[in-house]
Amino acid sequence: KAGVTQTPRYLIKTRGQQVTLSCSPISGHRSVSWYQQTPGQGLQFLFEYFSETQRNKGNFPGRFSGRQFSNSRSEMNVSTLELGDSALYLCASHRGQRGGSPDTQYFGPGTRLTVL
Amino acid sequence: AQRVTQPEKLLSVFKGAPVELKCNYSYSGSPELFWYVQYSRQRLQLLLRHISRESIKGFTADLNKGETSFHLKKPFAQEEDSAMYYCALGPSSGSARQLTFGSGTQLTVLP
Repeated sequence: KAGVTQTPRYLIKTRGQQVTLSCSPISGHRSVSWYQQTPGQGLQFLFEYFSETQRNKGNFPGRFSGRQFSNSRSEMNVSTLELGDSALYLCASHRGQRGGSPDTQYFGPGTRLTVL
Repeated sequence: AQRVTQPEKLLSVFKGAPVELKCNYSYSGSPELFWYVQYSRQRLQLLLRHISRESIKGFTADLNKGETSFHLKKPFAQEEDSAMYYCALGPSSGSARQLTFGSGTQLTVLP
């Protein structure tokens, strides 16, 4: 089956603008997690959505938000962009089963955001 | 607070030599440990997880709760093993599903 897709793959914005990134999970997966990857901080968890509800949230400011649609596709939004938001944003799709051991997360190729 | 430490940013070994990538963690509870790999120009993918106790591409990892370690090992490295390796930690139960990643180790296998 098709893997996780993310659009766009590359994005250039200027400070103060806002941006929306999209993630389409693997068919049948109900959970989407978002991560930020930077050379300095590595991979950091942003948030997780399951059945259109945010289930977990990392330690990021409120400028970072997300949502999930009924078809499990997810978007994340960053408002009032700062230079430090330049990063690779990865989404990961998983089945989202409740309880038990965590199921495997399958990662997308990422969206490379550059803030000028 | 949960934390994953990979002390080596870069690691080079010769083809056929044993390789060990170190991972230590801190977590108050029972964790689930993973190794993810990212080959050049490819997406991050799961290599193995401790609960499955599998050997993938010749790699194994043993969870040592006493030393809070989950080192990745392979007895004979191959050039195609050159990649970025990330150790990750998640809760073993409950609804939380976020992974905490280490900073990664870039492995280069020399011919």
